[in-house]
Amino acid sequence: SQQGEEDPQALSIQEGENATMNCSYKTSINNLQWYRQNSGRGLVHLILIRSNEREKHSGRLRVTLDTSKKSSSLLITASRAADTASYFCATLTGSNYKLTFGKGTLLTVNP
Amino acid sequence: KAGVTQTPRYLIKTRGQQVTLSCSPISGHRSVSWYQQTPGQGLQFLFEYFSETQRNKGNFPGRFSGRQFSNSRSEMNVSTLELGDSALYLCASSLDRDRDAFFGQGTRLTVV
Repeated sequence: SQQGEEDPQALSIQEGENATMNCSYKTSINNLQWYRQNSGRGLVHLILIRSNEREKHSGRLRVTLDTSKKSSSLLITASRAADTASYFCATLTGSNYKLTFGKGTLLTVNP
Repeated sequence: KAGVTQTPRYLIKTRGQQVTLSCSPISGHRSVSWYQQTPGQGLQFLFEYFSETQRNKGNFPGRFSGRQFSNSRSEMNVSTLELGDSALYLCASSLDRDRDAFFGQGTRLTVV
């Protein structure tokens, strides 16, 4: 069963705009990780946020976590054409040694 | 610091054959996980190894197996290949379960 669900499924914006992607999950988590994937290639790790954290930053990326709503958001500021990719959230729960991924958000940044 | 290395990058096999994929984790990482990615099912967990022990296994048939060596390198094997096994197979390494997991570029397996 799907733990994380990204929203929207697809997002198209202009260069310079901000992009916000959301992830909802069903059960309590230990951590949540965001990844980027360019067409058919490997996953690039962006940020890990733990269940006791509310916000983390990395460069132009900002991730928030709201455990009461079981949701997280990824904000990319001042987007660039090179940010065009699929973005996935993945959750780690309980004593499992596995990440459960959502279906991803396809972000297109138009020059 | 070298990243996660997966070999080969591309593979074409015939139905019924078997295949072995290799993953070299980041130096010092002892946890290695494998995932299958397909357009229909998305990213699905196969199994995870830590210090040569399988700690968790996903819902895949017994044709999918793996192992980890003492140097933390891991292999996964798929026997009696089916057309539906065509996918991108991704390997991830981390220090342990609650740490950042870094992925390799994947092995694109095509079964014909």
